[in-house]
Amino acid sequence: DGGITQSPKYLFRKEGQNVTLSCEQNLNHDAMYWYRQDPGQGLRLIYYSQIVNDFQKGDIAEGYSVSREKKESFPLTVTSAQKNPTAFYLCASRRDSVGNYGYTFGSGTRLTVV
Amino acid sequence: GQQVMQIPQYQHVQEGEDFTTYCNSSTTLSNIQWYKQRPGGHPVFLIQLVKSGEVKKQKRLTFQFGEAKKNSSLHITATQTTDVGTYFCAGDTGNQFYFGTGTSLTVIP
Repeated sequence: DGGITQSPKYLFRKEGQNVTLSCEQNLNHDAMYWYRQDPGQGLRLIYYSQIVNDFQKGDIAEGYSVSREKKESFPLTVTSAQKNPTAFYLCASRRDSVGNYGYTFGSGTRLTVV
Repeated sequence: GQQVMQIPQYQHVQEGEDFTTYCNSSTTLSNIQWYKQRPGGHPVFLIQLVKSGEVKKQKRLTFQFGEAKKNSSLHITATQTTDVGTYFCAGDTGNQFYFGTGTSLTVIP
């Protein structure tokens, strides 16, 4: 079955550490996205990528970094510069970024700073 | 600032009652999408509306897109316990999709 796989499902980070969240899709979608979900704030865009080797900042990119070396993969690194990283992180993909297509979301990674 | 507002934030209904969530944008949208997120799950795409005044139905769910393409609504008729979850709208401004804050629906059996 085609879909998006996020790992790990739960992640604990000590203050000052960088952590990388994995996102892999086998839908052959061009566009991939990272969203952060906090209670009462909906989904906020961190980074997105429309094609391989290219990505753009979203509304809350500070303290995060991404790479898009392969079409299937769009990992997100939460750096120590992110002041409040505890949140639910969702990776998503769309067939492309300009057509009328819905997002397919992964099952998410819940990150907790300890 | 927040481009897409959604109300109410929470709604508790008795099973069998109707439910409506509203989505409003400060700018004209090229299209709007609706998603459902079950507790502990991830958002799942429900539908997309593109045309001004468009109305679409999925069984007990009715989706509307306003004439000015700045607002939308999702109406559920005769709610069931399986309708529990958070419903999000996502409006396309042409540059980016902005997700609403969501409406969390609780259905009391």
